[in-house]
Amino acid sequence: NAGVTQTPKFQVLKTGQSMTLQCAQDMNHNSMYWYRQDPGMGLRLIYYSASEGTTDKGEVPNGYNVSRLNKREFSLRLESAAPSQTSVYFCASGSLAGITDTQYFGPGTRLTVL
Amino acid sequence: QKEVEQNSGPLSVPEGAIASLNCTYSDRGSQSFFWYRQYSGKSPELIMFIYSNGDKEDGRFTAQLNKASQYVSLLIRDSQPSDSATYLCAVKGAGSYQLTFGKGTKLSVIP
Repeated sequence: NAGVTQTPKFQVLKTGQSMTLQCAQDMNHNSMYWYRQDPGMGLRLIYYSASEGTTDKGEVPNGYNVSRLNKREFSLRLESAAPSQTSVYFCASGSLAGITDTQYFGPGTRLTVL
Repeated sequence: QKEVEQNSGPLSVPEGAIASLNCTYSDRGSQSFFWYRQYSGKSPELIMFIYSNGDKEDGRFTAQLNKASQYVSLLIRDSQPSDSATYLCAVKGAGSYQLTFGKGTKLSVIP
């Protein structure tokens, strides 16, 4: 049982390049989330998917797109990377168990945009 | 704008002491409260959650919630050097899927 997995672990891009961050969970969770974490800013929600086939914007969605491929997989795409997107990206999944719903995080992707 | 406030620290405590971490939140409709631990360079790891006023204990950890004061805290008893990490408070509103995180408090346990 791997929990939440993310690929790649590290990535360096040049301004204007595109890439997709992959996330998969094997906990049969309904909801999945993408966060970014920057020094002094804390964790901020980019997009989330409450269930397969649905996606919604979070606090900082500009410059990103997402796809909920199936129940297990939720990808984050940067179409034209900018230096401001240099960050650590975390994927999380949650069971949507109402008031006791908790989110579990993947190991993260460290992205640098030059 | 929902806000979650934490003292950034660092909070330094001697080994064996009680570490007290505090968090305040702005949304009175908040329903669930979570504490995560994050070691440097690692991902957040859930410690515990609380949703009723009062105390909830899990081993050396106790979460305390006071909804009237919009305040949640985490006590770590018998602190160990391995507890040195950043502790994140997160809050979830009623009927919401989203967690709002504080910026975290860095704890240092001195041997």
